[in-house]
Amino acid sequence: GAGVSQTPSNKVTEKGKYVELRCDPISGHTALYWYRQSLGQGPEFLIYFQGTGAADDSGLPNDRFFAVRPEGSVSTLKIQRTERGDSAMYLCASSLNGNEQFFGPGTRLTVL
Amino acid sequence: TQLLEQSPQFLSIQEGENLTVYCNSSSVFSSLQWYRQEPGEGPVLLVTVVTGGEVKKLKRLTFQFGDARKDSSLHITAAQPGDTGLYLCAGAPRRSGGSNYKLTFGKGTLLTVNP
Repeated sequence: GAGVSQTPSNKVTEKGKYVELRCDPISGHTALYWYRQSLGQGPEFLIYFQGTGAADDSGLPNDRFFAVRPEGSVSTLKIQRTERGDSAMYLCASSLNGNEQFFGPGTRLTVL
Repeated sequence: TQLLEQSPQFLSIQEGENLTVYCNSSSVFSSLQWYRQEPGEGPVLLVTVVTGGEVKKLKRLTFQFGDARKDSSLHITAAQPGDTGLYLCAGAPRRSGGSNYKLTFGKGTLLTVNP
């Protein structure tokens, strides 16, 4: 596809479970970003990849959150021991030149 | 921490009216982007402004970046119901080096245009 894709579109899980959220960026985009958006708020930065490496993970809230991008394309955001406060829309964006970021449709995570 | 304040938070107008929404900060940004987001979807990029004082037009939408690169405005002429959505501004910080453009977002202005 031409745009950023994210799967699943919705994820419902129980407190304490492990979840993985996937992002497929625009082909050729070397930069990839993860953001989290709570209801009534703007997106908040989580982590930035340049190629395969996490260049800035200062936005990850704690060590339950981890993200990988092993081949410099698809990225997976992993959340261990989920908590109800993790419920949010998780957004992925990719960029070619850094100055313009294109967002995917997001994954709505609900932790019961 | 760089903060972006957007105002108003909510705006409900009739079709055909004009409106302006604002995005303000005490910090300087290297660039500022405006996005429109519909419920349950990701933000869609409308425009990027880079130069202080820059004005960009996109059909009925006019975007302006402040001279000091700390604030921006979005003006919509003759609003239509299809303009309804959450308008978000996002700033990329001034960088001493590197290419990290992690964005700081405002909370958005929720616009409703009634037919």
